[in-house]
Amino acid sequence: DAGVTQSPTHLIKTRGQHVTLRCSPISGHKSVSWYQQVLGQGPQFIFQYYEKEERGRGNFPDRFSARQFPNYSSELNVNALLLGDSALYLCASSPTLPGPGGYEQYFGPGTRLTVT
Amino acid sequence: GENVEQHPSTLSVQEGDSAVIKCTYSDSASNYFPWYKQELGKGPQLIIDIRSNVGEKKDQRIAVTLNKTAKHFSLHITETQPEDSAVYFCAATSGNEKLTFGTGTRLTIIP
Repeated sequence: DAGVTQSPTHLIKTRGQHVTLRCSPISGHKSVSWYQQVLGQGPQFIFQYYEKEERGRGNFPDRFSARQFPNYSSELNVNALLLGDSALYLCASSPTLPGPGGYEQYFGPGTRLTVT
Repeated sequence: GENVEQHPSTLSVQEGDSAVIKCTYSDSASNYFPWYKQELGKGPQLIIDIRSNVGEKKDQRIAVTLNKTAKHFSLHITETQPEDSAVYFCAATSGNEKLTFGTGTRLTIIP
């Protein structure tokens, strides 16, 4: 079975530009989460979507937005890019509903975004 | 919010020896603790997890222990092999949508 897929693999943008990153979850998974991983640090939570609804948002500015489509794929959008947005953006999918007891999240390979 | 601390930041062990990585968490409501392995250029890979109703879990050479009273949990890798070299992350969640990660441990297995 295919794992979580993300596109593009790498991306170079200029400050002030906009970027869209895409994610396809594991077949049958309805929950998608986005994380930002700066070099040398652990992933930081950005958004979580389940059944096309936003279920959680991390401490990121409004320049970051996301959505989930009827086929459960997802997009992360970042406007007015800053140098500090350079990072690996990870998408994770989960087979289960968010709730007590936690749930497994499976990560994709990520999109490496470089802002110059 | 939850805060997860992870130690050590780097760890080198001889092939065949054991490696132990430790994490502490702050939110007593946290009840799910996964461990991820991240190789260079790849996304984190879930290798083992434990829930708060269990004190220990083992999967072949990998084991995780949880002490809810002390709010810490540990990853144990026995009979280490070169392919175990990677960055390992612990994480915690109270069962909502968000995983809070530790800062990572770079494990190097010396042949």
